Amino acid sequence: GAVVSQHPSRVICKSGTSVKIECRSLDFQATTMFWYRQFPKQSLMLMATSNEGSKATYEQGVEKDKFLINHASLTLSTLTVTSAHPEDSSFYICSAIAAADTQYFGPGTRLTVL
Amino acid sequence: DAKTTQPTSMDCAEGRAANLPCNHSTISGNEYVYWYRQIHSQGPQYIIHGLKNNETNEMASLIITEDRKSSTLILPHATLRDTAVYYCIVRVSEEQNFVFGPGTRLSVLP
Repeated sequence: GAVVSQHPSRVICKSGTSVKIECRSLDFQATTMFWYRQFPKQSLMLMATSNEGSKATYEQGVEKDKFLINHASLTLSTLTVTSAHPEDSSFYICSAIAAADTQYFGPGTRLTVL
Repeated sequence: DAKTTQPTSMDCAEGRAANLPCNHSTISGNEYVYWYRQIHSQGPQYIIHGLKNNETNEMASLIITEDRKSSTLILPHATLRDTAVYYCIVRVSEEQNFVFGPGTRLSVLP
């Protein structure tokens, strides 16, 4: 199947700092990528839809000024958590649509804010 | 909200078939049934999807009832590595995002 990578896989930062997470489609182009968040023992929750060359669409309750999304190319989307706080600690997962409308997920990034 | 209901958890003996049910009684005619699984601390992995007909690939088989209100994912010979949370999702192909429910936690026992 198609491959989606994320970097970094794990990050620890101090409260108030910003963290950037990269999501890449390695063997296909993706005009649309998605960002999810998963808290411990919970299911994935969609945060936003990232569209190449245009503004991201955010789900209700997700602050667009706090979670900045940039989809500058057909293979790269970035999520920046600005002024991170401990409550932002979570598992962040991206995905991209490949052929046949199948969505492939990255391995996830575990963010810990101290 | 997720449009599917699944049992919270299931156990299966190693080497046996694992049959994971999913109810999607409000499914529309143009909605596909997708199955993903998530092993602890990893991103979800695509397994299989279908519309009406039963489907099979190297990982699993998907059996969809004739009225399409329920389906079953079959792992023919479960191994310990199949222990994961399995998500059943219905989605219209033209829409983009998935809505994840809580899924079924499958434990494959030695």
